[in-house]
Amino acid sequence: ETGVTQTPRHLVMGMTNKKSLKCEQHLGHNAMYWYKQSAKKPLELMFVYNFKEQTENNSVPSRFSPECPNSSHLFLHLHTLQPEDSALYLCASSLGTVATNEKLFFGSGTQLSVL
Amino acid sequence: AQTVTQSQPEMSVQEAETVTLSCTYDTSESDYYLFWYKQPPSRQMILVIRQEAYKQQNATENRFSVNFQKAAKSFSLKISDSQLGDAAMYFCAYRTSNYGGSQGNLIFGKGTKLSVKP
Repeated sequence: ETGVTQTPRHLVMGMTNKKSLKCEQHLGHNAMYWYKQSAKKPLELMFVYNFKEQTENNSVPSRFSPECPNSSHLFLHLHTLQPEDSALYLCASSLGTVATNEKLFFGSGTQLSVL
Repeated sequence: AQTVTQSQPEMSVQEAETVTLSCTYDTSESDYYLFWYKQPPSRQMILVIRQEAYKQQNATENRFSVNFQKAAKSFSLKISDSQLGDAAMYFCAYRTSNYGGSQGNLIFGKGTKLSVKP
């Protein structure tokens, strides 16, 4: 257990549904991240938040909408997804965002299936 | 753009034996960080070991060590005395040391699935 908790663990949704993924950390970290892990593709960074402010959006489609109400919580709101969005969505946190050798702490992910 | 290549989709090792996982990368930068992450069936990515490119000494963490060859852009992971709990996906990752890049901006390889036989 690394201190980063993601819910739900599994999610099945239709293309017209709206759902949200939740990530929570109580490590005192200021930065939080969303990653997408698709089958047979490298892990991809989606969004970066630092002190609740979004600092990076790696050309993610608008059907993915992140929200960071405070430094401990991160959400990913999903709407009108496509089957190709089926993947494992991982959340991570770190103390800061400056590129150093600082450690990232990951959650166990939400396995999303879009039907 | 930087790339990370793991040429072994799957590897297998006998318990208590040693196995080496390969990773090569491409970059024009001289200073950067390299990582090996482990993802067991629980799906949680766990940092195994990290290496700063400016350090010539290879990093070690207990049974895990790396062979960092900067000129060859190679960063292999050696697991000694393999245990059943080492069975997992292993990902090699690169991060710039450029302070304009974020902590989380890791470039990952596609991973190597390691099986450990009892």
